[in-house]
Amino acid sequence: SAVISQKPSRDICQRGTSLTIQCQVDSQVTMMFWYRQQPGQSLTLIATANQGSEATYESGFVIDKFPISRPNLTFSTLTVSNMSPEDSSIYLCSVRAASGYTFGSGTRLTVV
Amino acid sequence: TQLLEQSPQFLSIQEGENLTVYCNSSSVFSSLQWYRQEPGEGPVLLVTVVTGGEVKKLKRLTFQFGDARKDSSLHITAAQPGDTGLYLCAGQDNYGQNFVFGPGTRLSVLP
Repeated sequence: SAVISQKPSRDICQRGTSLTIQCQVDSQVTMMFWYRQQPGQSLTLIATANQGSEATYESGFVIDKFPISRPNLTFSTLTVSNMSPEDSSIYLCSVRAASGYTFGSGTRLTVV
Repeated sequence: TQLLEQSPQFLSIQEGENLTVYCNSSSVFSSLQWYRQEPGEGPVLLVTVVTGGEVKKLKRLTFQFGDARKDSSLHITAAQPGDTGLYLCAGQDNYGQNFVFGPGTRLSVLP
């Protein structure tokens, strides 16, 4: 299965600033997925990132708040823009194979 | 939107005990997966079940997919502290596109 390197692993940010999270996959994949996991809760899909096209966002998530880049088949970034304390969460990237998802180790974001 | 419920939400047991956690929905899924997530890590896939009534075993873990493909269970025999973590089920819709994750069962196995 694919191996995903995600960074940063954690960060503490001031409200109003932005943070860009990076995910590198060790193989080429068509789709990459970005999830949010709020404290004590399960995973919520933010968007699906396809190489060469705009990301597809789920209900409740917009491009202005969570811009995504997908410059090639092994890399993607998610930016959390104009952060507020409500954005404090774990953010995870993942790829999907026939057997299931492989996840990065997550970015634990705290907004103060 | 297909929703998954998991129970119990929290479970704390002693090492050596057996336990079962459940994943339920009113919707039918084409497949269902179980993941374990440890603190500071992303979820790791444990198993995928696709056939109604299917039973899969992974060492001390036994997974069952309901006959109607609406529910699943995970049974752990002789739990160990290394089993501690958040157990998530995820169901795939019948279009084979998206997965929806349940809220998880947080298991703590005390030595």
